[in-house]
Amino acid sequence: DAVMTQSPLFLSVTLGQPASISCTSSQSFVFSDGNTYLNWFQQRPGQSPRRLIYKVSNRDAGVPDRFSGSGSGTDFTLQISRVEAEDVGVYYCFQGTHGPSFGQGTKVEIK
Amino acid sequence: QVQLQESGPGLVKPSQTLSLSCTVSGVSMSSDPYFWSWIRQPAGKGLEYIGRIYASGTTNYNPSLKSRVTISIDTSKNQFSLQLSSVTAADTAVYYCARGVALDYWGQGTLVTVSS
Repeated sequence: DAVMTQSPLFLSVTLGQPASISCTSSQSFVFSDGNTYLNWFQQRPGQSPRRLIYKVSNRDAGVPDRFSGSGSGTDFTLQISRVEAEDVGVYYCFQGTHGPSFGQGTKVEIK
Repeated sequence: QVQLQESGPGLVKPSQTLSLSCTVSGVSMSSDPYFWSWIRQPAGKGLEYIGRIYASGTTNYNPSLKSRVTISIDTSKNQFSLQLSSVTAADTAVYYCARGVALDYWGQGTLVTVSS
């Protein structure tokens, strides 16, 4: 099973500045259909998780374009181009095919 | 619009079995086959994947919970369920249900406390 490791676990960012979260898998997890089911979730305080990115780099409907996902193989990244106050929360990567598992989460706060 | 709603007892005694249901609306579980998942989150901690079931009944479980977990599905009721046996205080958490390999839709979560 693929184990997902995020870094950093805590990020303090100035409003308007970029932020980047890394997610590394213990193994490649390309599915039999050729897709890599690497997803990113945002969990705001007191809320259920919300998916932001699916299959590495596809933004969900309604997700601001300041969020982007990239990567391949075992290394993936979520980037926020300009952090806004509403981006405060915890971000999780998740792979859904090789023994589904979440990363530990990265807490984002405003400096 | 796809919606999921968890339901079940909010308090379970130690050593007993936790039972939750997830009712799905906006999609037919029998005609639109997906994986249906359970995830949990202890207070102040991260998300833990519990397991999932396909419309056909095929299941996958987190190895760390496999001996205690059973997930079942009733497509006629558009529901799937979680049973977790021999619970302890460590199983106290918010339990979420979600759809698909990529968890595109989630329920709001339900808090289950294990306490005597």
